[in-house]
Amino acid sequence: SQKIEQNSEALNIQEGKTATLTCNYTNYSPAYLQWYRQDPGRGPVFLLLIRENEKEKRKERLKVTFDTTLKQSLFHITASQPADSATYLCALPPAGNKLTFGGGTRVLVKP
Amino acid sequence: EAQVTQNPRYLITVTGKKLTVTCSQNMNHEYMSWYRQDPGLGLRQIYYSMNVEVTDKGDVPEGYKVSRKEKRNFPLILESPSPNQTSLYFCASSQGADNSPLHFGNGTRLTVT
Repeated sequence: SQKIEQNSEALNIQEGKTATLTCNYTNYSPAYLQWYRQDPGRGPVFLLLIRENEKEKRKERLKVTFDTTLKQSLFHITASQPADSATYLCALPPAGNKLTFGGGTRVLVKP
Repeated sequence: EAQVTQNPRYLITVTGKKLTVTCSQNMNHEYMSWYRQDPGLGLRQIYYSMNVEVTDKGDVPEGYKVSRKEKRNFPLILESPSPNQTSLYFCASSQGADNSPLHFGNGTRLTVT
């Protein structure tokens, strides 16, 4: 069955540095991948979508890459700020109409 | 303002007492879905709906029912809640089931004693 893995350990990073998160998947070849941000007690908020034919996507200080050979997506937050502290989720569409989420990686940006 | 509204935000109930969590979206979205989120297990899909009167099971449908009589509403029904259904529930909607981003509600924290 399809499996999505994100680093469950929290990522502690100093303000101004780049945070890099990993999303690995197995047994699947998705046509796209999405990234969401979730703050405590709130619903996830969509950030970026990257398609299989796109190597890289950017939005302000966010950058996502998608390597279909490695079955991996990297999510970068450049010039990180304390307000970027949250949990970041990757999501893939397995077979059918169900978007499946990874467990998320918590990011803590220290001033 | 485009949004997905869930009610209630918090709910404490007892085993076996039927309850309904409401979900409404004002974006004319065709696709709606319910998720539950538990520590260490992440977001898991309960049910989804492609359109009015079309619903299907997600990964963890046992103990839940849904209905989609109108496009904007997608209530989640627990006929006989049990303590293992204590969780944080999210409703979400999107334009379609393709690559459209999901819009989530703010969640319902349910405790079943």
